[in-house]
Amino acid sequence: GAVVSQHPSWVICKSGTSVKIECRSLDFQATTMFWYRQFPKQSLMLMATSNEGSKATYEQGVEKDKFLINHASLTLSTLTVTSAHPEDSSFYICSARRGSEKLFFGSGTQLSVL
Amino acid sequence: TQLLEQSPQFLSIQEGENLTVYCNSSSVFSSLQWYRQEPGEGPVLLVTVVTGGEVKKLKRLTFQFGDARKDSSLHITAAQPGDTGLYLCAGEGYQKVTFGTGTKLQVIP
Repeated sequence: GAVVSQHPSWVICKSGTSVKIECRSLDFQATTMFWYRQFPKQSLMLMATSNEGSKATYEQGVEKDKFLINHASLTLSTLTVTSAHPEDSSFYICSARRGSEKLFFGSGTQLSVL
Repeated sequence: TQLLEQSPQFLSIQEGENLTVYCNSSSVFSSLQWYRQEPGEGPVLLVTVVTGGEVKKLKRLTFQFGDARKDSSLHITAAQPGDTGLYLCAGEGYQKVTFGTGTKLQVIP
């Protein structure tokens, strides 16, 4: 089956620094990628939808200047958490699909901001 | 905003019991998926239902999509400890996939 690779799987950073998370579709061209965040014991909250070559569409309440999303190619999307603070600590998950086909998920990134 | 409410939020049962998880919304979805997620991992797709009234079976799991395509249910027969996990429904609509509030299931041996 299709594979989505997410890197890093965990990251610890100091408050005020920026962190980049990568999401790659390894064996298919992902026309759309989604970014979610998940707090402990809670569901996945959609942050933004990213279409290759166009600006990401952010969900209400998600700061686009803080969570920068780039989908420059059909196999790579990145999420950069800028000037991270402890409240940004969370589990971030990406997913990717080609057209309206099945959705494939990355394994997630646990971000801890000290 | 499309909201998907799952009930119950938490469920702890003995091995061998049956259970049903509900997923309800006021929105209509073109399809609905059910996932199971383990801690620290991404969700794993269990099933996708597309047609209103559709029923799908996956071994001891039975999934149903409401006639109006606004709600769904997941029924597990003779639950086993290996069924323990976070169950998530997710609705597809308006070019995005929105997840339900989640049901944390614990099956006690």
